[in-house]
Amino acid sequence: KNQVEQSPQSLIILEGKNCTLQCNYTVSPFSNLRWYKQDTGRGPVSLTIMTFSENTKSNGRYTATLDADTKQSSLHITASQLSDSASYICVVSASRSANNLFFGTGTRLTVIP
Amino acid sequence: NAGVTQTPKFQVLKTGQSMTLQCAQDMNHEYMSWYRQDPGMGLRLIHYSVGAGITDQGEVPNGYNVSRSTTEDFPLRLLSAAPSQTSVYFCASSYRVQGLYEQYFGPGTRLTVT
Repeated sequence: KNQVEQSPQSLIILEGKNCTLQCNYTVSPFSNLRWYKQDTGRGPVSLTIMTFSENTKSNGRYTATLDADTKQSSLHITASQLSDSASYICVVSASRSANNLFFGTGTRLTVIP
Repeated sequence: NAGVTQTPKFQVLKTGQSMTLQCAQDMNHEYMSWYRQDPGMGLRLIHYSVGAGITDQGEVPNGYNVSRSTTEDFPLRLLSAAPSQTSVYFCASSYRVQGLYEQYFGPGTRLTVT
């Protein structure tokens, strides 16, 4: 069964600290993996997209890693800011089409001053 | 560009009522889709369209209809609302870049069915 599991469900960190969010998947075949940021009351916004051949991709203070062999990905946030408070969603695609996406339930990150 | 717009932002319906959730994009994207987001679950695909005049069902299509008469608009119709359709609905449009689809989501419509 194609599944995407994220951990932890929620996380609270102090402003300025780093954190790492995890994503494990069983989707097959694998095409690409995405991380989205979803602010409260807003739609998801893409942070990174990685294909099978990529194992690291950065977007500012966000760095995503992918291990296609173990089917794991992580999102590392450096020097967190209050504006990083959001849900982070891992999405795995089973093909190059836009309709074959498997969404995780997200990690809710709260950054406190 | 306004990106992907959705109306209304909030809606309360009674069981059995019908309504249309509006979605529009001004980026000339061919691909559009509707998702619902429920607590404790990942986004689930309701319907999608690969271009004007072409629609197809996603994972949870029952109780919903769509049409795509123009590239810009992709409305979602609830035929006879049920409490199980209480959810947040997101419309997305996508375009192809380097073989992958880059997806843009609208701000969502929060629907409550009583």
